[in-house]
Amino acid sequence: GNSVTQMEGPVTLSEEAFLTINCTYTATGYPSLFWYVQYPGEGLQLLLKATKADDKGSNKGFEATYRKETTSFHLEKGSVQVSDSAVYFCSSGGDSSYKLIFGSGTRLLVRP
Amino acid sequence: GAGVSQSPRYKVAKRGQDVALRCDPISGHVSLFWYQQALGQGPEFLTYFQNEAQLDKSGLPSDRFFAERPEGSVSTLKIQRTQQEDSAVYLCASSLVGRPPYGELFFGEGSRLTVL
Repeated sequence: GNSVTQMEGPVTLSEEAFLTINCTYTATGYPSLFWYVQYPGEGLQLLLKATKADDKGSNKGFEATYRKETTSFHLEKGSVQVSDSAVYFCSSGGDSSYKLIFGSGTRLLVRP
Repeated sequence: GAGVSQSPRYKVAKRGQDVALRCDPISGHVSLFWYQQALGQGPEFLTYFQNEAQLDKSGLPSDRFFAERPEGSVSTLKIQRTQQEDSAVYLCASSLVGRPPYGELFFGEGSRLTVL
């Protein structure tokens, strides 16, 4: 079945450092790919998405590119802020399938 | 309100008790989903409604779990005879459309269930 694998955390960075959170997926067909973020005490929020190969999703300085050849959707940000501290979830689905499959989440902690 | 609302936010139950968790989706949203999120894990699909019809309940872990959405808006997830392994955060999400592509899911803050 479909699955999503993302790097384990926690990831601890200093402010203004470069961020990469790896995500790979297995799927039949070509699902949409998403990054959701969960800030402390809040619900999951959509951060960005890509619906087909080579699409780049971007939001709030974060980017991720849908790579069909490597079945990956790595999340990147050039300069993280303390306010980016949260748990990030990679997920697939939502295109032809209503089910979203989530990775286990990566906690990011950004220190001043 | 503008977002998905869930209640209660926190629930402590003794093993064997029945619990009911409520979800108020965004007004007009056709699709409604329940997910279960264990500690340190990503959300896992439980069930899906399109309006009042429960089209998929394949993720419900046992027949102790029951969900309904009788009027196509508010939904209730009921867990009978709770067990310790039921302890988790139960997330409700809704989306505007009921057909592919399903677009963005809007999540509530979740109901954290602890079974003692």
